Amino acid sequence: KNEVEQSPQNLTAQEGEFITINCSYSVGISALHWLQQHPGGGIVSLFMLSSGKKKHGRLIATINIQEKHSSLHITASHPRDSAVYICAVAEETSGSRLTFGEGTQLTVNP
Amino acid sequence: SQTIHQWPATLVQPVGSPLSLECTVEGTSNPNLYWYRQAAGRGLQLLFYSVGIGQISSEVPQNLSASRPQDRQFILSSKKLLLSDSGFYLCAWTNTWGEKLFFGSGTQLSVL
Repeated sequence: KNEVEQSPQNLTAQEGEFITINCSYSVGISALHWLQQHPGGGIVSLFMLSSGKKKHGRLIATINIQEKHSSLHITASHPRDSAVYICAVAEETSGSRLTFGEGTQLTVNP
Repeated sequence: SQTIHQWPATLVQPVGSPLSLECTVEGTSNPNLYWYRQAAGRGLQLLFYSVGIGQISSEVPQNLSASRPQDRQFILSSKKLLLSDSGFYLCAWTNTWGEKLFFGSGTQLSVL
């Protein structure tokens, strides 16, 4: 069993839809990152969470430390949101060693 | 500002040839450094990580090696490449507790 599980693996939505991607983890963490990877491979960090909720534009990320679960929400989705979204956790007992989920391929159709 | 440089962007190498990919970090000191590989359509696989000069942890036994000759320099090497070494290689750094995370732009390696 992976230490970081993401769901769904693939998600297709129509422009304007509300999107949720989930991440569950089994280890103690010092931080959780939501990452975005576009075709071409570059990865950018969208959010770093250690508690609560963060919002940036149409993106919202939440984390529940007790339940070891995080969600990434996209409101009013747009075709330019199409990308792979990756959850990554920094393990608190391993000097911030990062463990990644497998990623969620999001396709937003116009 | 904090940046990370990774090169080359693409590389085509014959089987059996050596490999050297370099990653350097600017704007921070004592970063944790990582090398990842991503096969087509797959997730990120941690290859090596380093918490300090000369300190390398290997996650996946294989014909690759890593070195950290300076605080902000991380090198991925191989003496003889295999076909299975093809993939997209990413360098990354975090601060001590992982709150900051930055990735290099990646190297697409094709072994023919």
